[in-house]
This record gives sequence, structure tokens and C-alpha cells, in this order.
Amino acid sequence: DTGVSQDPRHKITKRGQNVTFRCDPISEHNRLYWYRQTLGQGPEFLTYFQNEAQLEKSRLLSDRFSAERPKGSFSTLEIQRTEQGDSAMYLCASSLATPTGELFFGEGSRLTVL
Amino acid sequence: KQEVTQIPAALSVPEGENLVLNCSFTDSAIYNLQWFRQDPGKGLTSLLLIQSSQREQTSGRLNASLDKSSGRSTLYIAASQPGDSATYLCAATPKNNDMRFGAGTRLTVKP
Repeated sequence: DTGVSQDPRHKITKRGQNVTFRCDPISEHNRLYWYRQTLGQGPEFLTYFQNEAQLEKSRLLSDRFSAERPKGSFSTLEIQRTEQGDSAMYLCASSLATPTGELFFGEGSRLTVL
Repeated sequence: KQEVTQIPAALSVPEGENLVLNCSFTDSAIYNLQWFRQDPGKGLTSLLLIQSSQREQTSGRLNASLDKSSGRSTLYIAASQPGDSATYLCAATPKNNDMRFGAGTRLTVKP
């Protein structure tokens, strides 16, 4: 399978714990995006990388959230001291680095904070 | 800031009917507009991508149009089938590449 893959698909955690999600983009794509989606809403932009550089971050990305893409390949999104409001689907997407590049999404990682 | 709105929020049609989903955006300075399909609990599947210089794109029974001057896009689905039941999302990519999504239209096609 050469699509975008995300792991884990589901994560249940207790409030205050840290969680980390991983995204493996399509291999030739040098842009990688993270989005968050809550029930009944469209995805909300969190951040994006071009190669290993994090080029933009949304104000939704509080200081408890950190994203990395150390070698310009896979990316991780870590949430520290989780809160119930962090419960959502976290979606990763990748594209080629052109303004007109089509986005391809993974299946998402669903987080439930108890 | 780009705002994307989709109308209607939900739509139910009998099988075989042709239908149109609407998407509007506030900032016409976009690179492209993309339509996606999302099944419950799943990720997004790209359906059609319209570049800013294009007026429409077609794929099978789907046709998407783009009118930048009015800030509108439509997704036309011909001869709908129960398998088309899903949420359809449109997203506009502005110059800073911060793709903005609408809340989606939840489509139900009844057999």
C-alpha cells in the first residue's frame, strides 16, 4: 500500500497522559499536514511541514501539542497532558510541494480522552 | 481568513436522482479547490481537484465546477447510488497553503 498511513488508529487515554501519533506520507510527497476533526465538523488545520521544516502552525496548536518531522519522511504529533477537549480524529495528509498539489489523507487516528 | 460554507448540511434523495452539492468560499485568491468524500469513522478520499485556472473537472458520474469570481463551487452527482451515501467536503487552498474545509454535506441515497 503506497497511501498515507497513520498509527495508531484508535487511542484511549486518561486525562493528563501524553499520547503520540505517527504519520507516514506517500513516499515522494515532501509536504505533510496535520488536521483535527471533531464530530460533525470539517477538518481544522493544525500544522504543515515541507521536508523537515515546519512552515506553519495554527493557533489551535497550543503549547501542549508538538509536531516533528525529523528526516523529512514520517511525522509525529505529540499531545502532552491530554484534556477531554482533545478528543477528536487526528488526520494526516501529504502532497507534492506545489501550490496546486492534491492532498491525500490517511485513515486518521481517533483519540478518546477519559 | 478564508471561510468555507457548504449547503445543505444534509441531503436525502432516492436512488437514481441527479443532485448538486454547494460550496462557497470568502476569499477568491485560491490555488485550488478540492472535493473529498468521507465515510463514517474514516479518512478523506479525494474526488476532484480544480485548479484556480480551471472551470470544471469530471470523473465518472461526478462533475465539479469552480467560479472564483463568485466564490462558489458545485459538485454534481449523476444517477446517484446507495454507495454514494457519505459526507462530502470541499476545501479551498489559499496562498499560504492553509487548506480550509467546509463542515460537509451528509448525503443519503435511499434504495
